[in-house]
Formats: sequence, structure tokens, C-alpha cells
Amino acid sequence: AQSVTQLGSHVSVSEGALVLLRCNYSSSVPPYLFWYVQYPNQGLQLLLKYTSAATLVKGINGFEAEFKKSETSFHLTKPSAHMSDAAEYFCAVSLSGSARQLTFGSGTQLTVLP
Amino acid sequence: ETGVTQSPTHLIKTRGQQVTLRCSSQSGHNTVSWYQQALGQGPQFIFQYYREEENGRGNFPPRFSGLQFPNYSSELNVNALELDDSALYLCASSLVGGGWDYGYTFGSGTRLTVV
Repeated sequence: AQSVTQLGSHVSVSEGALVLLRCNYSSSVPPYLFWYVQYPNQGLQLLLKYTSAATLVKGINGFEAEFKKSETSFHLTKPSAHMSDAAEYFCAVSLSGSARQLTFGSGTQLTVLP
Repeated sequence: ETGVTQSPTHLIKTRGQQVTLRCSSQSGHNTVSWYQQALGQGPQFIFQYYREEENGRGNFPPRFSGLQFPNYSSELNVNALELDDSALYLCASSLVGGGWDYGYTFGSGTRLTVV
């Protein structure tokens, strides 16, 4: 079985500040890990994914995440927040691939303050 | 690419009724999955279809059923609607096969309200 815990249901940062969204996972086998973003009244858009290659994964819109097996973490970061980054972010885990059963965390709402 | 389109975008039903939600997969995709996203929560996997056969199911009762058609479009049917079925229902399609897995493309969802 697998699970995902996102620490902090709401995160606020100032425009230009570092964005750090936390995700810890539990998995019985080496996992596939994902970060998705959801804008209001829209579906999910893939930001980045880890599939057992490089542990530092770069995604779209300047986001990146680092897979740390020892900490069972996959935190999402962006050096400088932009107003357009305000959205809900979901971390997800899969045991078998990108288009298999995904188990999502409960999400983190990111607010960017001017 | 046309993306994944879902219809309708919003729907209101009465408890006990039945509902059918529709999804047109992205062109060239052969796999479709459905997720339920309750308000304030992450999406939960309902089931997946691959080449018209159910290929995995989450922890949902049998009154949630689905179909995938030869053109890879799909339907989600929910019988005997309950108030807790109120949610955003997301369809996601992908191309899978030959050892490749290109990941999901999500639709914008159908917002179902059960009253």
C-alpha cells in the first residue's frame, strides 16, 4: 500500500520569496512520485515526476523537487514565487507508473502575497 | 491535440437518481481513468480502463461503474446517488503500451451536486 502526507494545507509566501511545499510518502516498493497543480475550476496539470532516474527533478514553471529516500520525502520548491503560482498543489504516489493508480495527498493551497 | 474533454461541466441530481458522466480521451490515448475529488480533498482513484476492460479499481462500491468505447471515450455511471457523491469527477487519459507510459492528461472535470 502507499500513502502521501502533505504538511500544511495552506502556505502563504510573498512574491519573489522561496516556495517550499512538503510531501512525505509511504511505499512498500520504490515509488513513482508526482507533483500536480490545480487552478480553480480546472483539472490537474503535471508539474514534474520522479521515476527512479535523477533524484533532483526539474519541472515546468521553474519548479523542482528532490527525492530523498532516507527521509521518504519529495518536497517541491521554487526559488522565486510569482503571483501566477497561486493554486492548489497535490503530491501523488504510484507503485507502477505514471498512468496507473495514483494516490494523492490532501493538497496544499499556495497563496502568493504582493 | 484536442486534450481530454468532459461533459457536462456541472450537474445537479437528486438523491437516489442515476447519473452518467462522459469523457473524450485525448487523441491517440488508449487508457482512461476516473477520479473523485471531494471538496477540500485530493482526488481518489475510482477505476481505470484499458482497451475496453477494467484494469484496476479503487475502494468504491459497485454502484460506480464504467465503460470504455472502441474510440477510447468513456462513461462513468453512478447508481443510487448519495449526498456524499457530491464531488468533482476527473477523467484522465494516457497512452500506455510497449513498455512506455506517457502519464496522464486530465480533463477539467464534471462538478456533481447531489441534493
